[in-house]
Amino acid sequence: SAVISQKPSRDICQRGTSLTIQCQVDSQVTMMFWYRQQPGQSLTLIATANQGSEATYESGFVIDKFPISRPNLTFSTLTVSNMSPEDSSIYLCSVGSQGRAFFGQGTRLTVV
Amino acid sequence: DQQVKQNSPSLSVQEGRISILNCDYTNSMFDYFLWYKKYPAEGPTFLISISSIKDKNEDGRFTVFLNKSAKHLSLHIVPSQPGDSAVYFCAASAEAGFGNEKLTFGTGTRLTIIP
Repeated sequence: SAVISQKPSRDICQRGTSLTIQCQVDSQVTMMFWYRQQPGQSLTLIATANQGSEATYESGFVIDKFPISRPNLTFSTLTVSNMSPEDSSIYLCSVGSQGRAFFGQGTRLTVV
Repeated sequence: DQQVKQNSPSLSVQEGRISILNCDYTNSMFDYFLWYKKYPAEGPTFLISISSIKDKNEDGRFTVFLNKSAKHLSLHIVPSQPGDSAVYFCAASAEAGFGNEKLTFGTGTRLTIIP
């Protein structure tokens, strides 16, 4: 199994600002995934992050709003840009291994 | 378009009885299915999975059944314990394996075990 650490675990941010979420994995992985869980909703995939290439975004998500970095095989960041209250969600980092996805503890973001 | 659906948002079960959580999917390309458990303030934790070539997989108190013709799967927990109280998510993948586990999640079912 993979151990995933996310920072920060929670934050309260002013609208119009940006927040960068960090994800560190204890082993090298090819792909890392970023999900969002809006209040009372399911987990929705934002993007897939490959090391050495641009992230691949799912429908409804764009790079300008959610820029992602993947500088090496154990680390990734997701930035939530120009935040509005609608961005209040739990953001989760995930990696895959042997047919399973492992998740970090999530970052609970509240935008006021 | 919700490709993975959990039609019961909540379920209450007496301790010691069987809990049955259901999940339906619409995408025929899904070939791997997983169940996750989520406590508040924590990330989802993997419980059990099943490949589309099987119709049943068992791990301790947890059994997952897959009915491909009906595009339906279910998670059975027996006997149910108070620690099982959590939100359970069904997830599906069309690209499982080789480090590419990109998942589509259902909306979740909140299971409450009554002591």
